[in-house]
Amino acid sequence: DVKVTQSSRYLVKRTGEKVFLECVQDMDHENMFWYRQDPGLGLRLIYFSYDVKMKEKGDIPEGYSVSREKKERFSLILESASTNQTSMYLCASGAQGAPPLRGYTFGSGTRLTVV
Amino acid sequence: QQQVKQSPQSLIVQKGGIPIINCAYENTAFDYFPWYQQFPGKGPALLIAIRPDVSEKKEGRFTISFNKSAKQFSLHIMDSQPGDSATYFCAASSAGTASKLTFGTGTRLQVTL
Repeated sequence: DVKVTQSSRYLVKRTGEKVFLECVQDMDHENMFWYRQDPGLGLRLIYFSYDVKMKEKGDIPEGYSVSREKKERFSLILESASTNQTSMYLCASGAQGAPPLRGYTFGSGTRLTVV
Repeated sequence: QQQVKQSPQSLIVQKGGIPIINCAYENTAFDYFPWYQQFPGKGPALLIAIRPDVSEKKEGRFTISFNKSAKQFSLHIMDSQPGDSATYFCAASSAGTASKLTFGTGTRLQVTL
């Protein structure tokens, strides 16, 4: 079975640390996404990538960067973690084409706590 | 700016009831409207989706109703079961690069016995 694997389920980091969240998909999808999920705010798009080395900002990119050196891997980087980045981070992938007929496939999420 | 507004925030129904979750959007370029279901500890999973050229779509006990003129769509769950207890997200996207989805704020549904 699938599919989208996030490297850590839970993570605790200190303020100011550089944090890497890793995501790997095995479905040969062109598109990959990083969302954060907060109660009452739903899922908000941080960054997405539609091809290797390509990236575009989502709705809330401030304080984050991304890297996609290989098709299957999409990394989210918190350059200097802050407490307001404590959240659930969800990675997703989707096949090329509009609309995404089969939807996105999400990972199980990484719950990041910044202390 | 919330491009997809979802209500209610939470919902409790008895087994066999028909919970209804509503969403509204502003962007007329949206042309794909999925619903995702999320269980605790899991990522969201696609439940059902509709395009604006139809007014209703059914898959098993789940039905999407779509009103293009009002820019609203809703999810109905027929004969709801305790196993349907989850958080539901509506979303929307438009044709273009990566077809990125814009999500609503979510509805936590609890189906009681």
